[in-house]
Amino acid sequence: DAGVIQSPRHEVTEMGQEVTLRCKPISGHNSLFWYRQTMMRGLELLIYFNNNVPIDDSGMPEDRFSAKMPNASFSTLKIQPSEPRDSAVYFCASSLGENTGELFFGEGSRLTVL
Amino acid sequence: QKEVEQNSGPLSVPEGAIASLNCTYSDRGSQSFFWYRQYSGKSPELIMFIYSNGDKEDGRFTAQLNKASQYVSLLIRDSQPSDSATYLCAAGGSNYQLIWGAGTKLIIKP
Repeated sequence: DAGVIQSPRHEVTEMGQEVTLRCKPISGHNSLFWYRQTMMRGLELLIYFNNNVPIDDSGMPEDRFSAKMPNASFSTLKIQPSEPRDSAVYFCASSLGENTGELFFGEGSRLTVL
Repeated sequence: QKEVEQNSGPLSVPEGAIASLNCTYSDRGSQSFFWYRQYSGKSPELIMFIYSNGDKEDGRFTAQLNKASQYVSLLIRDSQPSDSATYLCAAGGSNYQLIWGAGTKLIIKP
């Protein structure tokens, strides 16, 4: 299996621009997570999908962030407008089943907002 | 507030020695515990999980759980330079939520 695939790997953008991050989970995994990692705050769960349905978006920082999962093989995380404080590494992870901590992470998307 | 605490390190261990990484958690309802390894610039990778009190061994790695003390540890025997990484401890409950520690940076000195 190819694992969790994320794109882009690196994104540099200017404040106010729209950013879209993409994720393809492992085939057959029905749980998908978007995390953000920074030195200051560590790993933070942004949103959790189960069977393509958003279950918990309480970690989404504010209305500028949105996430979708139109089908079992694709998810997006969008930031509009972006701000310098959004600079972080964004990870997508998937798992087989809902109540498991056995997550498979993608390589991450490193976002820099100038 | 549910928390998982780890010493941030760095923890420096000579090659060939045993590296001991520790983690405490606040939620007594936590049922499962996970150790992820994260190399610099890479993504976290699951290396061990433990659900029951006691020890669980997998190759050079041993996870230890003491629910009474709310304590989890990871032992790495015969440490290698390739073990140098940040180790994240995470606690899980009855649902999808994981509580993550901030990680311990481990350095294995040749």
